[in-house]
Amino acid sequence: AQSVTQPDIHITVSEGASLELRCNYSYGATPYLFWYVQSPGQGLQLLLKYFSGDTLVQGIKGFEAEFKRSQSSFNLRKPSVHWSDAAEYFCAVGARVDSSYKLIFGSGTRLLVRP
Amino acid sequence: GAVVSQHPSWVICKSGTSVKIECRSLDFQATTMFWYRQFPKQSLMLMATSNEGSKATYEQGVEKDKFLINHASLTLSTLTVTSAHPEDSSFYICSASFRVRTSGPYEQYFGPGTRLTVT
Repeated sequence: AQSVTQPDIHITVSEGASLELRCNYSYGATPYLFWYVQSPGQGLQLLLKYFSGDTLVQGIKGFEAEFKRSQSSFNLRKPSVHWSDAAEYFCAVGARVDSSYKLIFGSGTRLLVRP
Repeated sequence: GAVVSQHPSWVICKSGTSVKIECRSLDFQATTMFWYRQFPKQSLMLMATSNEGSKATYEQGVEKDKFLINHASLTLSTLTVTSAHPEDSSFYICSASFRVRTSGPYEQYFGPGTRLTVT
């Protein structure tokens, strides 16, 4: 069965420090992978996506993610975190379930940024 | 591009009444829209998949008679919570799906969410 695991419920980093949020997936076929960010009381904004090709993908707001098939991972990184990056981050895999194409979400990682 | 709106952004209703939430794709046509529910500090829970012109497909455990979904056009889907009760209070988020490339996967773009409080 398809699943996404985000092992870190909370992560706290200092402003200016680097960030890595972990994501592992389970999916039988070639995965389509996404990272979304959600600010409190808001919907989800797409940060970046991987479909094929270069395994290092660039997204908005200075984020990047690397697809590693051998590790079934799609970790999100940012070299220098800003206070405005504090939010909830969701990793998702796009999966065909029955006749529909759905997103399977991880449980999310809450990022806290220390001034 | 790929903007999805929801209306209202928040609503308070009395127990036993019904409330309708609209989801619109503003700059693209979406053959499929999704409705999610999110509890505080939790991930999104898919409630149903809505295809234009056909009946919605509900996830296991979601009462289709309580959560009525209508997808009348390629840009509009509505969720009606009927006979609402306090336990229906939640954050409801819709998304609209389309294919950027004909050979590529479908991408989902999310609305800003609707906070429903039932008193």
